[in-house]
Amino acid sequence: DVQLLQSGGGLVQPGGSLRLSCAASGFSFSTYDMTWVRQSPGKGLEWVSSFRRSDRQSFYADSVRGRFTISTDNYRSVLYLEMNNLRAEDTAVYFCARALAVVTSILGHWGQGTLVTVSS
Amino acid sequence: IVMTQSPATLSSFPGERATLSCRASQDISEYVVWYQQKPGQAPRLLIYDASNRATGIPAKFSGRGSGTVFTLTISNLEPEDSAVYYCQHRYTWPVTFGEGTRVEIK
Repeated sequence: DVQLLQSGGGLVQPGGSLRLSCAASGFSFSTYDMTWVRQSPGKGLEWVSSFRRSDRQSFYADSVRGRFTISTDNYRSVLYLEMNNLRAEDTAVYFCARALAVVTSILGHWGQGTLVTVSS
Repeated sequence: IVMTQSPATLSSFPGERATLSCRASQDISEYVVWYQQKPGQAPRLLIYDASNRATGIPAKFSGRGSGTVFTLTISNLEPEDSAVYYCQHRYTWPVTFGEGTRVEIK
């Protein structure tokens, strides 16, 4: 079974940094595109970033470009989201997700989510 | 591309049919995806490319549409269908989600 186990959330001060992890199992991690989606408390879903394997290209929402970095460790089967210069509006539950098949942005499998709170 | 969902909340009785709407701000062909999210859970993929059910999704969920207007229909509503349903386009980057439709079972 496909499993995505997330870790790394927590409380951080504005301007601080945090790294989220998403440990994958049950599939060939190095062959699937991966995505991060977030959800502010009581709000809807917001796409954050995706990594496309075919050309190793990363995509970012305007709201996080230049502050967040998506990366993968294929040896350890882990997806990361490095978040710098965090703002209060970055407070959200962050989900990692795996592409359904060859299409990056059809999100077929999701992690359980991890809460990031940016507050002083 | 802005995805607009309506209604914001839909309340129906068990056994009824619910029709959820999603409108794109420009032509996105059939590149719409639907997800279901229950409280405290991650979203679950229901439908991709407007009308294709994901593996394990029952036939009571059906999608249709193209261009700018899309619908998700849930037949024979059951209490476990209570959730928020989101549409998402995958036409280009950035992908965007609609605000969601909350389905309540009376």
